[in-house]
Amino acid sequence: DAKTTQPPSMDCAEGRAANLPCNHSTISGNEYVYWYRQIHSQGPQYIIHGLKNNETNEMASLIITEDRKSSTLILPHATLRDTAVYYCIADSGGGADGLTFGKGTHLIIQP
Amino acid sequence: GAVVSQHPSWVICKSGTSVKIECRSLDFQATTMFWYRQFPKQSLMLMATSNEGSKATYEQGVEKDKFLINHASLTLSTLTVTSAHPEDSSFYICSARDLSPLSSTSVVTQYFGPGTRLTVL
Repeated sequence: DAKTTQPPSMDCAEGRAANLPCNHSTISGNEYVYWYRQIHSQGPQYIIHGLKNNETNEMASLIITEDRKSSTLILPHATLRDTAVYYCIADSGGGADGLTFGKGTHLIIQP
Repeated sequence: GAVVSQHPSWVICKSGTSVKIECRSLDFQATTMFWYRQFPKQSLMLMATSNEGSKATYEQGVEKDKFLINHASLTLSTLTVTSAHPEDSSFYICSARDLSPLSSTSVVTQYFGPGTRLTVL
């Protein structure tokens, strides 16, 4: 799996959009970008994934650059409950192997 | 999304005893489940891959005789920590991949359980 790089921490004001960057410059053509988040003392929660195109679901939007070397997860209206560690993972999506977690970004939503 | 449960959510045991942790996929069948371990202020580390009806595959450095994995059905995998010691105290998390044909995505998504906090005294 390609290595991903994320800032260790970020702050965002409640109600604002939280934009979380991720670099994956060595991503392979068949690797998807997955985003998970982990709220303290809970298991990771799946958020969204994408290959080339931008994706949106009820939780977030995922913007992938044209060269696929980086992406941004957008939480459009952050709430205090969005405070968590967010993990960006590059994976082929085949499901045969476990996921490789980096250190993630600790997003703190400020009231 | 698919739901994965774990039991117990937390357990405290004495050094030298064995502890069993269950991981269940509640609304889908999982031929493969994964077990992770997370120490305080660290990220998740994959321990082993559990395959239904066959032996588990362990990551380098994980003792297979200490961490026994059984995947007897398509919805249940168990992790048994044998002869637990204080250094085994950790947060154990399982995940399962949803391969159902009704999945809304063409790729496999892994769903995680809520985790089990093990404290060995």
